[in-house]
Amino acid sequence: DVKVTQSSRYLVKRTGEKVFLECVQDMDHENMFWYRQDPGLGLRLIYFSYDVKMKEKGDIPEGYSVSREKKERFSLILESASTNQTSMYLCASRTRNPLNTDTQYFGPGTRLTVL
Amino acid sequence: GQNIDQPTEMTATEGAIVQINCTYQTSGFNGLFWYQQHAGEAPTFLSYNVLDGLEEKGRFSSFLSRSKGYSYLLLKELQMKDSASYLCATFGWDSSYKLIFGSGTRLLVRP
Repeated sequence: DVKVTQSSRYLVKRTGEKVFLECVQDMDHENMFWYRQDPGLGLRLIYFSYDVKMKEKGDIPEGYSVSREKKERFSLILESASTNQTSMYLCASRTRNPLNTDTQYFGPGTRLTVL
Repeated sequence: GQNIDQPTEMTATEGAIVQINCTYQTSGFNGLFWYQQHAGEAPTFLSYNVLDGLEEKGRFSSFLSRSKGYSYLLLKELQMKDSASYLCATFGWDSSYKLIFGSGTRLLVRP
């Protein structure tokens, strides 16, 4: 079974703090993704990575950065957390094939609250 | 661009059948996914359609019409545990890497 894990289920931080969210997958997937999910807005893509050290902006990258130093690990960084970044953060991974038909698997999510 | 629409909420009765619709507009198409998400949990994969027609998997079936940009998820013999959000997703037009999600349909199953 594919396993995607995230470092924390719940996290509380203060405005201005630097926040690291870690994601690890154990299926040697090339593609990894960070989403945030807010009521009424659905899942929105923040950043994704299709290979080690490669990254691309998603739909809402402002205020975030990412790091992919190893294939299995994809980190989301909030350089200076703000209250509007309070959200559920979901990591996902998927293998890469020519037709891109493989299922995308999600981690359990991190509920981040910024006070 | 990419646009996915699905109803915000639906209510159904235990034991009944419910159909959740999804319409999409995309340039280029690589398939449509359905995910189930219980409150406070991560989405879990339900089905994937790339060809027209109905795919059945136990109590859940998913249908796709590419010419109409339309899909539905059919849930039979509803159980209380089916109360969840159901997310429709397809690949983005500008990159085959990105799955674009609809906002989800929150299904409430009543006794």
